Amino acid sequence: GEKVEQHESTLSVREGDSAVINCTYTDTASSYFPWYKQEAGKSLHFVIDIRSNVDRKQSQRLIVLLDKKAKRFSLHITATQPEDSAIYFCAAASSGSWQLIFGSGTQLTVMP
Amino acid sequence: EAAVTQSPRNKVAVTGGKVTLSCNQTNNHNNMYWYRQDTGHGLRLIHYSYGAGSTEKGDIPDGYKASRPSQENFSLILELATPSQTSVYFCASGDRANSDYTFGSGTRLLVI
Repeated sequence: GEKVEQHESTLSVREGDSAVINCTYTDTASSYFPWYKQEAGKSLHFVIDIRSNVDRKQSQRLIVLLDKKAKRFSLHITATQPEDSAIYFCAAASSGSWQLIFGSGTQLTVMP
Repeated sequence: EAAVTQSPRNKVAVTGGKVTLSCNQTNNHNNMYWYRQDTGHGLRLIHYSYGAGSTEKGDIPDGYKASRPSQENFSLILELATPSQTSVYFCASGDRANSDYTFGSGTRLLVI
């Protein structure tokens, strides 16, 4: 089955800098790649997604890149703010099953 | 407002006892999922369902059963709880057409 590896378990950046979180997946049939944010003690909230028919998507300060050949996708947070501090999860799903398989999470800390 | 509601929020159970975690969604989504979250593992899929009456095994189904009696309700059942099942459990609903997954607030389970 699908496996998603999230490469950075922790990431610290200075306020205003960019943060990049990288994930890889194994199933070539995966076609949907969402990202979720989890603040301490809370549930997961959707932040942005990308489908396999595009290689870049932007929503305000968030950019997602998808490299299907390398089976790699990444989340770029530009102009980081302290409120961006949280755990970020990448996930992948195939159009055949729509099971979301998650990476292990990245604890992002934005330092003032 | 469409939502996913889990109950209870917190549960303490004794080893060998039966535990039922409940999930209700008002999103009218066909698909529902149960995950557990443990540090270092991210979210791991336990069981999922494509609709009323259906349950499917996820990546870590051993020790768990699931029940989907209706579109709105999806339960996770631990027939004989063990301390290794101490975790935070999240329910989610998703719509294959819209790729829109919504998570509940989580249930924190402690098995002693």
